Amino acid sequence: AQTVTQSQPEMSVQEAETVTLSCTYDTSESDYYLFWYKQPPSRQMILVIRQEAYKQQNATENRFSVNFQKAAKSFSLKISDSQLGDAAMYFCAYRRRTGWGEKLTFGTGTRLTIIP
Amino acid sequence: GAVVSQHPSRVICKSGTSVKIECRSLDFQATTMFWYRQFPKQSLMLMATSNEGSKATYEQGVEKDKFLINHASLTLSTLTVTSAHPEDSSFYICSASKPGQGGVWRSTEAFFGQGTRLTVV
Repeated sequence: AQTVTQSQPEMSVQEAETVTLSCTYDTSESDYYLFWYKQPPSRQMILVIRQEAYKQQNATENRFSVNFQKAAKSFSLKISDSQLGDAAMYFCAYRRRTGWGEKLTFGTGTRLTIIP
Repeated sequence: GAVVSQHPSRVICKSGTSVKIECRSLDFQATTMFWYRQFPKQSLMLMATSNEGSKATYEQGVEKDKFLINHASLTLSTLTVTSAHPEDSSFYICSASKPGQGGVWRSTEAFFGQGTRLTVV
C-alpha cells in the first residue's frame, strides 16, 4: 500500500520569504503522480502543483515549485515570495498514473502560517 | 478547470435520521467519484469510490449500510448517512476525476466539491 508522510505539522514564514514543505512517500509503483493541494479556511481543496513521476524536470507554477527526488521518494514544495493568501493547510498526495479515476492518498498535512 | 458542486454545504440533523449529500460534476462526465471524510485538523480519509452504474467500493472499516452511495448518472453521486449519530458529525468532501484529453482514458486531475459540514444533534 502507498503511504504519504508529511513530517511538519506546522510551519510559519515571514511574508515575502521562502518556505519549503516536506513530503515523503512509499510506493512500489514506477509510474505515478504526486500533488500538492492547498486547503484554505474555506476548506475548498485547491490543486497547487502536479508532478508526473516519469518526468525528471521539477514542476513549477509561478511562485510554487517542487523538488522531486524519485530515488529518495521525496517531494517537497517550495513557496517563494510568500503571501498572506498562502496561509492554509497543505496536503501532499499520491496517485497511481494508470487507471481511470485512481484514488488519491493524502499525507497528514502541514499548516502554513504567514507572518505579516 | 472543471467544477464539482456539493450540496448542501452545511446540514444539521437529529440523531436517528438520515441525510443525503449530493456531488455533481457540472461541466464534465465523471464515471468515478470519491467520498472523503475529514475530522478537524486532520487529513482526508477516503471512505469509498463511487462508480457510475455499479456498486461503490468501500474502504476498510467504513460501514456500507451506514454510508450509502449511489452513482446513478455520469454527473451525480450521492452519499446518504443513515441513522445518523453524533459521532457521524464531520466534514464530508467529494471529488470527481476529469477524463484525460485526446481520448486518453487516464484522468489526470481530481476536482473537489466545496464540502459538507454535517452536525448530528
